[in-house]
Amino acid sequence: SYELTQPPSVSVSPGQTARITCSGDVLPRKYAYWYHQRSGQAPVLVISEDDKRHPGIPERFSGSSSGTMATLIISGAQVEDEGDYYCYSTDSSGNPMFGGGTKLTVL
Amino acid sequence: QLQLQESGPGVVKPSETLSLTCTVSGDSVATSSYYWGWVRQPPEKGLEWIGSGGYSGNPYYNLSLKSRVSISIDTSKNQFSLTVTSVTAADTAVYYCARVPIMSTINYFDYWGRGTLVTVSS
Repeated sequence: SYELTQPPSVSVSPGQTARITCSGDVLPRKYAYWYHQRSGQAPVLVISEDDKRHPGIPERFSGSSSGTMATLIISGAQVEDEGDYYCYSTDSSGNPMFGGGTKLTVL
Repeated sequence: QLQLQESGPGVVKPSETLSLTCTVSGDSVATSSYYWGWVRQPPEKGLEWIGSGGYSGNPYYNLSLKSRVSISIDTSKNQFSLTVTSVTAADTAVYYCARVPIMSTINYFDYWGRGTLVTVSS
């Protein structure tokens, strides 16, 4: 079982807002990071330190964190945003770890 | 422009040692601003943090792998390496090398290589 829990899948229509959540007891104390992985490609950093957009990432991507939940928000999702999204933080012992991943479908 | 490129054997026999190298261009592995790390992804599964290390700091490993893994830095070749001993089929995965900003509260990765598939098979 993962200490960072994500929904297995999220589906939205193009132009809609997609929200992907990451739940974990460490999140009130530790930052969350978000990675996007398209099929067959390496992960790409999207959001760091809860809400900082990585250079080169479109403005439609944003992040927030409150209590034990971090959220990645894609405002006006596009087809090219499809893929797997992973949150990243630590486990209860402080060891870095990834969430289980969420498959985003935009259709 | 930063680039990271993994290299190593695509197939390793069970019980043997897996060795991978990451060649860095566009930055120096001897930098005091970054560490260098590894992540793996078994086929059709999620990401697993392996560990990270730097020129100026001790390596830091996933506790579940700590007894079998090591990360080393070669400044003369601007490379860093991963070694995993006593491999089993469970070590079959795509292995990614990546850069780790030192000034972060947890070891996260800001830029990644494309990854290399390693299959453990006799």
